[in-house]
Amino acid sequence: GAVVSQHPSWVICKSGTSVKIECRSLDFQATTMFWYRQFPKQSLMLMATSNEGSKATYEQGVEKDKFLINHASLTLSTLTVTSAHPEDSSFYICGGGPGEKLFFGSGTQLSVL
Amino acid sequence: SQKIEQNSEALNIQEGKTATLTCNYTNYSPAYLQWYRQDPGRGPVFLLLIRENEKEKRKERLKVTFDTTLKQSLFHITASQPADSATYLCALASGAGSYQLTFGKGTKLSVIP
Repeated sequence: GAVVSQHPSWVICKSGTSVKIECRSLDFQATTMFWYRQFPKQSLMLMATSNEGSKATYEQGVEKDKFLINHASLTLSTLTVTSAHPEDSSFYICGGGPGEKLFFGSGTQLSVL
Repeated sequence: SQKIEQNSEALNIQEGKTATLTCNYTNYSPAYLQWYRQDPGRGPVFLLLIRENEKEKRKERLKVTFDTTLKQSLFHITASQPADSATYLCALASGAGSYQLTFGKGTKLSVIP
């Protein structure tokens, strides 16, 4: 299957700071990448769809100014959590693929103090 | 509204037995349905995809059925092993022509030695 690399695996930051999460497709060209968030014991919730060379599409209720997505190349999509607050603490996962099946990164556990 | 329901939040079975997990959906007309495995603190891993015109699909000890009349998929693991312990997620494409997936809440399977 396709390989998606996500970094960092975990990050601890102070409230008010910004955190960038990188998602790279290692063996396929990702015109689209999906960003999910997962709270403990809950399922993955789609936050946004990242589109190479164009604006991301955000799900209802997700603040686009808070969760900045950049997809400048076919192998890299980034999610920046701006002015993070404790309620943003969660597990963030990116996923994409050359077709119907999605391949996911290993996730980023964000803890905001 | 669209719903994906995995009825059992948790399932405990004895090693060697067959585990059967259920996924029901409403207000979808999916061309295909997917199953993923997720281990704690990790991203989901693709297991199987079954199309609307396929009744059953197998991969090693895994078997998936898809009944579009009942709007249900069953996921079976035969000869279960402790290493099969994980959360299993059912997923459907969110819309026609989109690879964006919506996930069920998952069933946490524990295989007891």
